[in-house]
Amino acid sequence: LAKTTQPISMDSYEGQEVNITCSHNNIATNDYITWYQQFPSQGPRFIIQGYKTKVTNEVASLFIPADRKSSTLSLPRVSLSDTAVYYCLPLTSGTYKYIFGTGTRLKVLA
Amino acid sequence: DVKVTQSSRYLVKRTGEKVFLECVQDMDHENMFWYRQDPGLGLRLIYFSYDVKMKEKGDIPEGYSVSREKKERFSLILESASTNQTSMYLCASSPGVAGGRQETQYFGPGTRLLVL
Repeated sequence: LAKTTQPISMDSYEGQEVNITCSHNNIATNDYITWYQQFPSQGPRFIIQGYKTKVTNEVASLFIPADRKSSTLSLPRVSLSDTAVYYCLPLTSGTYKYIFGTGTRLKVLA
Repeated sequence: DVKVTQSSRYLVKRTGEKVFLECVQDMDHENMFWYRQDPGLGLRLIYFSYDVKMKEKGDIPEGYSVSREKKERFSLILESASTNQTSMYLCASSPGVAGGRQETQYFGPGTRLLVL
């Protein structure tokens, strides 16, 4: 099975930029990578998705390098409410491969 | 707003019992999924379904079966519950065709199952 790895945990202070990297294999040029956020006692929820080098929405940015063996979720100016677990999900087209990353527990400190 | 509901938030069962976990989505999504989530292991796919009566095994299907008789409903069945099936179970749905490149999954709140 392809393995998708992330750092187990990260700490940050309010107002800082946080970058969480996901390492994966066998991602083709047009394969999407999706990031989810999960709070305690809730299901994960969508943050951002893309397949191009850089994607930005109102809450985050997603960076995918040319070799497509990793992706980075960037959260600008985090706040206490960003404390959560973050999961990446590389989607390989044409196959039924839904292998979430191992998850990164982000703790934002005041 | 997409809504995915799960029949129970908490469930306590005895070893050997047959357990049904129900999931309903209200957005006419094609795909539905069952995951289990354990500390240190993240989200692991048990089964998913891309159409009524269709199913595919995920990474950890052993000890589980599923049923999708209607598009909006996807059931996870533990034929004979065991203590190692104590876990958080998450249901999700997504629109579009199976294996599609762009799929956003919408998750339910989860069912925390304790098998004694």
